[in-house]
Amino acid sequence: QSVLTQPPSVSGAPGQRVTISCTGSSSNIGPGYGVHWYQQIPGTAPKVVIYADTNRPSGVPDRFSGSKSGTSASLAITGLQAEDEADYYCQSYDNSLYGWVFGGGTRLTVL
Amino acid sequence: QVQLQESGPGLVKPSQTLSLTCTVSGGSTSCHNCYWTWIRQPAGKGLEWIGRIYTSGSTNYNPSLKSRVTISLDTSRNQFSLTLGSVTAADTAVYYCARGHYDSRRPLDSWGQGTLVTVSS
Repeated sequence: QSVLTQPPSVSGAPGQRVTISCTGSSSNIGPGYGVHWYQQIPGTAPKVVIYADTNRPSGVPDRFSGSKSGTSASLAITGLQAEDEADYYCQSYDNSLYGWVFGGGTRLTVL
Repeated sequence: QVQLQESGPGLVKPSQTLSLTCTVSGGSTSCHNCYWTWIRQPAGKGLEWIGRIYTSGSTNYNPSLKSRVTISLDTSRNQFSLTLGSVTAADTAVYYCARGHYDSRRPLDSWGQGTLVTVSS
């Protein structure tokens, strides 16, 4: 049972838009701690695609965007491409655990 | 560009202690406001945060593992280490080391490639 809750899977056709939600609580996302999103291709280490809620690292396509409201955050991917097929994880800090927490991960399938 | 590399035994017997080391290159483990952390991922499952150590040496651990985990830092060797005691098959996973920051708005921005540790007799 992960501290942050994500849907197990989402899917979309090429060119479509998908969103992945991440629900937390008043001890993690709520107080304003940064929410980060990672993309993980099976067999490789996670890679940051969104940091501090809405920021995109250099090299990440602008098709990726993040948002946050209250105790939830979302990752949106527009113009879906086959290369976007991966697992996505949200992550934040939790002040009741004094550490970092992850969502359970969402498998994105490009149909 | 900071790079991290995990090393250690790939096979550990049940009830024994798992020990891994992460070697940092292209940067210093003494970096200001840095945390050095361990994360694991059982096959087909999600990421689990194990714990972290600050450049001052202070540590935080996942409460579910706290009784069995120690993370230490060796700045002279630019390494940090993980020990996990009394392992069982449930500890079989890919173990990653990574760099984080005191500022929660900065992500875990550098990761090792991961190392598979299997607990089996």
